[in-house]
Amino acid sequence: DAGITQSPRHKVTETGTPVTLRCHQTENHRYMYWYRQDPGHGLRLIHYSYGVKDTDKGEVSDGYSVSRSKTEDFLLTLESATSSQTSVYFCAISESFRDNEQFFGPGTRLTVL
Amino acid sequence: SQQGEEDPQALSIQEGENATMNCSYKTSINNLQWYRQNSGRGLVHLILIRSNEREKHSGRLRVTLDTSKKSSSLLITASRAADTASYFCATGEPIQGAQKLVFGQGTRLTINP
Repeated sequence: DAGITQSPRHKVTETGTPVTLRCHQTENHRYMYWYRQDPGHGLRLIHYSYGVKDTDKGEVSDGYSVSRSKTEDFLLTLESATSSQTSVYFCAISESFRDNEQFFGPGTRLTVL
Repeated sequence: SQQGEEDPQALSIQEGENATMNCSYKTSINNLQWYRQNSGRGLVHLILIRSNEREKHSGRLRVTLDTSKKSSSLLITASRAADTASYFCATGEPIQGAQKLVFGQGTRLTINP
């Protein structure tokens, strides 16, 4: 897995609590992405980053925020977790704007009770 | 919104047979990519085909792209048990500062020994 780690790998939390997921890369790639994967919906883009401190929303960004203060780290925060945010979260990185081949992390399984 | 739609949703074949999966999409694309996901793991990039290409090979993989029909196919020849996985097509679309991938829901491939 192209130098991408995600932490934690598994988390169970309660409704209303804040949760932060971390994506760390050692590839020095410019672009980073957060997706969620749910049965029946495939992978959907939550937020992405095109450089340090440069982030933007994807198609399912409500209830999520992100930060990227260093090239290697991209944090996803659930401000107040809800049961609808129970999902598997994947981070991905890419080097090229043109072709955008993405390399994925191992995923974080989040359960919100 | 989903761009790629894979067909079939599930495919079960005997080891050694060829497996063909299809993907249809709706709008103009820069490129189309195929990814594999083993159960409980992140996605792995398999192959990228650009909009001006018609066919591409990589080992036992053959991808075709027909932009007039807005469709692509992935052929895996001489299948092996290790090919058992879900396969996703993804189309590249420009967004602010980057390019996003829009994934279909995938084809679940099972190779029977």
